[in-house]
Amino acid sequence: DTEVTQTPKHLVMGMTNKKSLKCEQHMGHRAMYWYKQKAKKPPELMFVYSYEKLSINESVPSRFSPECPNSSLLNLHLHALQPEDSALYLCASSQEYRGETQYFGPGTRLLVL
Amino acid sequence: GENVEQHPSTLSVQEGDSAVIKCTYSDSASNYFPWYKQELGKRPQLIIDIRSNVGEKKDQRIAVTLNKTAKHFSLHITETQPEDSAVYFCAASNQAGTALIFGKGTTLSVSS
Repeated sequence: DTEVTQTPKHLVMGMTNKKSLKCEQHMGHRAMYWYKQKAKKPPELMFVYSYEKLSINESVPSRFSPECPNSSLLNLHLHALQPEDSALYLCASSQEYRGETQYFGPGTRLLVL
Repeated sequence: GENVEQHPSTLSVQEGDSAVIKCTYSDSASNYFPWYKQELGKRPQLIIDIRSNVGEKKDQRIAVTLNKTAKHFSLHITETQPEDSAVYFCAASNQAGTALIFGKGTTLSVSS
């Protein structure tokens, strides 16, 4: 299995809702990432987990809360989002953190109303 | 920290022509340089990568060259086809420093 999967594909939420994005990989990778991507812009790194520990939090607002329940799963919990948080949220994984090939999931397209 | 500049931001070519996209990086410690292709509404897909111990790498119509002294690397696509139309991102990273740092992207349009 050489894929990173993400659910849901699309999500519409209000500013008072709580929702979660899920990411899964079965490649035995020990690093997993969350990125945010706006249209025609490069992915912006949000969080990095290495060996299930949070390694990087790129000054992301607390309304985004990551969780790594095990080495194959990565969640992003969303609460009290703003319309400007509407974007494509991409998960990626790599064998190890830093200097390794990252494989991206298909993303969750999020719309905050 | 690392900074990656990518040029041009848009590139239009005729089918069958070659396309070249260039990136420069600032951190001499960077040693891994992937290229991603992203079609509209899809995920970034790795198309080729190169490490700093190699000067050139080729995969069918796609090649990447690296000049460590000048700190730049380039993507070359030969015999372009309409399905090559996409946004291409270069990136750089190193094992001792940061995660992937992306260039701003190049929108390639191939017209038939």
